[in-house]
Amino acid sequence: GQQLNQSPQSMFIQEGEDVSMNCTSSSIFNTWLWYKQDPGEGPVLLIALYKAGELTSNGRLTAQFGITRKDSFLNISASIPSDVGIYFCAGLTGNQFYFGTGTSLTVIP
Amino acid sequence: ETGVTQSPTHLIKTRGQQVTLRCSSQSGHNTVSWYQQALGQGPQFIFQYYREEENGRGNFPPRFSGLQFPNYSSELNVNALELDDSALYLCASSLDYSHGETQYFGPGTRLLVL
Repeated sequence: GQQLNQSPQSMFIQEGEDVSMNCTSSSIFNTWLWYKQDPGEGPVLLIALYKAGELTSNGRLTAQFGITRKDSFLNISASIPSDVGIYFCAGLTGNQFYFGTGTSLTVIP
Repeated sequence: ETGVTQSPTHLIKTRGQQVTLRCSSQSGHNTVSWYQQALGQGPQFIFQYYREEENGRGNFPPRFSGLQFPNYSSELNVNALELDDSALYLCASSLDYSHGETQYFGPGTRLLVL
């Protein structure tokens, strides 16, 4: 299967700091998505990106679809305690999603 | 809350047994996808059903099978359970397969195989 590599694997940051994480793939995707998963729940869609180079914001979150179509990044500005969770990137090709291995975010008040 | 429900929430089985997991889609959604999420990993696509027909399958053996019913609810069946089948099983529904990016996940069923 296709591999999506996320980095960093985990992050510990102070409340108020900005966060940056990225996702790379050996394959091209037509759509990139970012999800957040809280313990005991399914992933929730944060941002969807549809075109190479696209930069999209959702509140304090900003994500970009890499020009090569093989990568994407997610930034969170001014982190707050409720940002804690695991963030997954996912690439969509056809009707099949490929998820990354996740970035675990801990925000220290 | 997404409107996607799954049952049961937790399940313990022994190796070799069979299991059926259930998913109720969000109202109006005719497409359901199933995922396996091992501990510390991202979800892995098992298969998708669109209007009661399988519409794509990931790299899972045939002992993983599914059904979608006329009301678009769905089942995931796993035969001859193995220890490695222990995972969180997620279903996700979407309006139709061409809008898969707007899929909504249920809370999952956590399966433990002993």
